[in-house]
Amino acid sequence: DGGITQSPKYLFRKEGQNVTLSCEQNLNHDAMYWYRQDPGQGLRLIYYSQIVNDFQKGDIAEGYSVSREKKESFPLTVTSAQKNPTAFYLCASSTTSAKNIQYFGAGTRLSVL
Amino acid sequence: KNEVEQSPQNLTAQEGEFITINCSYSVGISALHWLQQHPGGGIVSLFMLSSGKKKHGRLIATINIQEKHSSLHITASHPRDSAVYICAVSSGSRLTFGEGTQLTVNP
Repeated sequence: DGGITQSPKYLFRKEGQNVTLSCEQNLNHDAMYWYRQDPGQGLRLIYYSQIVNDFQKGDIAEGYSVSREKKESFPLTVTSAQKNPTAFYLCASSTTSAKNIQYFGAGTRLSVL
Repeated sequence: KNEVEQSPQNLTAQEGEFITINCSYSVGISALHWLQQHPGGGIVSLFMLSSGKKKHGRLIATINIQEKHSSLHITASHPRDSAVYICAVSSGSRLTFGEGTQLTVNP
């Protein structure tokens, strides 16, 4: 079935450690997005990519990095510079002609040990 | 003030009740979306609308562009409707999300 797969479902980070969240899609979508969700807040955009080998910062990019080497994959690295990484992370994708119709993955819950 | 405001934040209902969740926005939009997030975390799209009203099963979404307001109604609510309902607006190529409404429907 076509869709977006995020892994792992749960992830724990130690102090000073970088961790990478995986996002893979087989929808043949050009655009992919990473959002962060905190309790009582709406989803906030971290990074987005409209095409392979290109990506832009969203509203809260500090402490995060991404790569887009393949159309299907858009991994997010939470670096040690992100001082408050505990949150729920959602990946989404869309066509470039309909960026407002986004398909979401099931999310990764990141906690700090 | 958030660009997208939802109310209520939390809603508890008894099975069978008629439910309304409201969304107000303060920016110009090209479309408004209602999304459903289940306890596992995944999000599915329920509606995208830019005018009028849409219906899908027991769900109805309305939008008033002049008043910058949308409502999501659930008729004959059921415990399986328990989820977080999120309003989001499209402006250009960006989505802006409301905080979500946690709905719990008790049997």
